Amino acid sequence: KAGVTQTPRYLIKTRGQQVTLSCSPISGHRSVSWYQQTPGQGLQFLFEYFSETQRNKGNFPGRFSGRQFSNSRSEMNVSTLELGDSALYLCASSWRSSEHMNTEAFFGQGTRLTVV
Amino acid sequence: KNQVEQSPQSLIILEGKNCTLQCNYTVSPFSNLRWYKQDTGRGPVSLTIMTFSENTKSNGRYTATLDADTKQSSLHITASQLSDSASYICVVSENQGNNRLAFGKGNQVVVIP
Repeated sequence: KAGVTQTPRYLIKTRGQQVTLSCSPISGHRSVSWYQQTPGQGLQFLFEYFSETQRNKGNFPGRFSGRQFSNSRSEMNVSTLELGDSALYLCASSWRSSEHMNTEAFFGQGTRLTVV
Repeated sequence: KNQVEQSPQSLIILEGKNCTLQCNYTVSPFSNLRWYKQDTGRGPVSLTIMTFSENTKSNGRYTATLDADTKQSSLHITASQLSDSASYICVVSENQGNNRLAFGKGNQVVVIP
């Protein structure tokens, strides 16, 4: 069974641009969560999608948005990029929503975004 | 203040030795606590998940303990191997219906021969 796939693995963008990252969950998983990881802040929750609906949202500005398609694949978009958006963006999939206790999440390898 | 604090921030140990990583949390009410291992350049991989009623859980050479009264957890690595070099992240789930996750910043472990 294929794991969580994130594309692209690496990305370099300039300030002010926008970027779209993609996440394909494990087959059968309907929940996709997105995280930002930086050395100073560690992992921070962005949002979770389940069955094409946003279920939870972290404390990030509106420049960060996402969506989920009927095949459970998810995209995350960041508009008007800032230098501080440079980070590793991880997505995690699970077969049910995180509202359920002990739902194990499986992470992808991440997209390393560098804003210059 | 971060709801999940991990210590030590970084650790160097000799191959074959044991080590213990600490996680203190203030998340309340608490649903479950997870330990993840993250190799450099890769996504985190789950090691253990414990609910508030569990005291210990093992996964091979990794043993996690939980004291829900003192809000402390530890991850013990036995007979460390070079492949144990990684960041170990403690994640606590709130029991507020949405099971929002609070992340520690990780313990960076380096195993040397």
